[in-house]
Formats: sequence, C-alpha cells, structure tokens
Amino acid sequence: GAVVSQHPSRVICKSGTSVKIECRSLDFQATTMFWYRQFPKQSLMLMATSNEGSKATYEQGVEKDKFLINHASLTLSTLTVTSAHPEDSSFYICSARGGGTIGIDTQYFGPGTRLTVL
Amino acid sequence: GESVGLHLPTLSVQEGDNSIINCAYSNSASDYFIWYKQESGKGPQFIIDIRSNMDKRQGQRVTVLLNKTVKHLSLQIAATQPGDSAVYFCAEGSGTYKYIFGTGTRLKVLA
Repeated sequence: GAVVSQHPSRVICKSGTSVKIECRSLDFQATTMFWYRQFPKQSLMLMATSNEGSKATYEQGVEKDKFLINHASLTLSTLTVTSAHPEDSSFYICSARGGGTIGIDTQYFGPGTRLTVL
Repeated sequence: GESVGLHLPTLSVQEGDNSIINCAYSNSASDYFIWYKQESGKGPQFIIDIRSNMDKRQGQRVTVLLNKTVKHLSLQIAATQPGDSAVYFCAEGSGTYKYIFGTGTRLKVLA
C-alpha cells in the first residue's frame, strides 16, 4: 500500500515552454500533497503544500506564479512549471500524506521527475 | 543554475555487519520522526517512523532510536546488504505536517 506515482519520470523541454508534472496517490486518498525540489547531492527542499480543493501554500522564496499547483481531487495534484528556464532544471518530487502505521499520517513519496530545460 | 553539490557524509560498512546512521534534529517541538532511503534517481522510500513518546521502534532488520534529551535520532540496520546502499535521510515533523529533512548520509556496503 501507500504507492505514489509521478508522470512523466523525465522531461526535456525548450526554454520558455511550460511543463506539467502529475502526482497521484494510487491506493489511498490524500487530502494533502507536497512538492519538493532536490539538487544533486542535496536534501529535499519543500516548495509548497497542496490541499485538495484549496489554494496551495508556498514556501518562502518560491514563486507561486512560476510554479502553479492544482489539487483537484483526493488522488491527484499537478505542478506546472511555467515559462521554464535552464535554472529550473532539477529533480521534482511529490509526496502524499496518508495512513501511517502508528496513528500518524506519513508522507509517501513519488519516484520523482527529472526536468531538463535546454 | 543549480547549486554546487555538497559532499554527503559517507558511511562504509562491510556486508553482513550492522550499520548505524545518526541524525541530529533541530526543533525540540518536533513530535514525529521518519527515516527515508533514497536510491540514485528515485524518490525517497519510507523505512520507519517513531513518535516523540517512544524511544525505540523496531522493524524488519531496522531499529530507530530517539533521544529527545540531546535531539538525536539513529537508524540501525542489521546484517547490512548490498541493496541497502543508498542515501538515508531523517525527517522531523510536527502539527503542521511539514517535514524538515536532514542533510542525508550515504551508506556504502562493501562486498
């Protein structure tokens, strides 16, 4: 149980285009999903918290107009990188908050999406 | 552009030996702690979690120890196998459900 998928796993795009990344919880409903960014050999950096049916909450320094998040259902959240530039190239990972084993909802992570902007 | 990559602390362990990975957490108000394993090019995989009212919890081949006095968390892996080679992250959480991740430790299992 507690499987989270991401699509696509890898995307290469031209500078100025927009890219949409999907995050799905496959076997549980997730009222809250999170989007992270990870640079090589570094830890995960939280970008935003996505709640079903409401606006996402962005971390300080993350441009909400640049990184559009939509959480339309209990199993799907999307991250759209608008007008992507080479500095947006990174590994983007989502997580979904679901049932844990000790009475606390745990974050389960997707496999990540490698974005390369040329 | 992307930040220059940091040099992750590395723990090298002989296959079959026990591994102990340590983590110092920052927020004394954190009440939930999790260990994740991340293989290259993949997302973090949940290993084990523990609440602040516990000091030890065991899973299959793994044990998490929590010392709230010194804000220290450790992950013990018994009989380490080549498949355990990865980067391990600790994370701390509280009522906001947001996690703070540690910097990570690379575990290398030597044959």
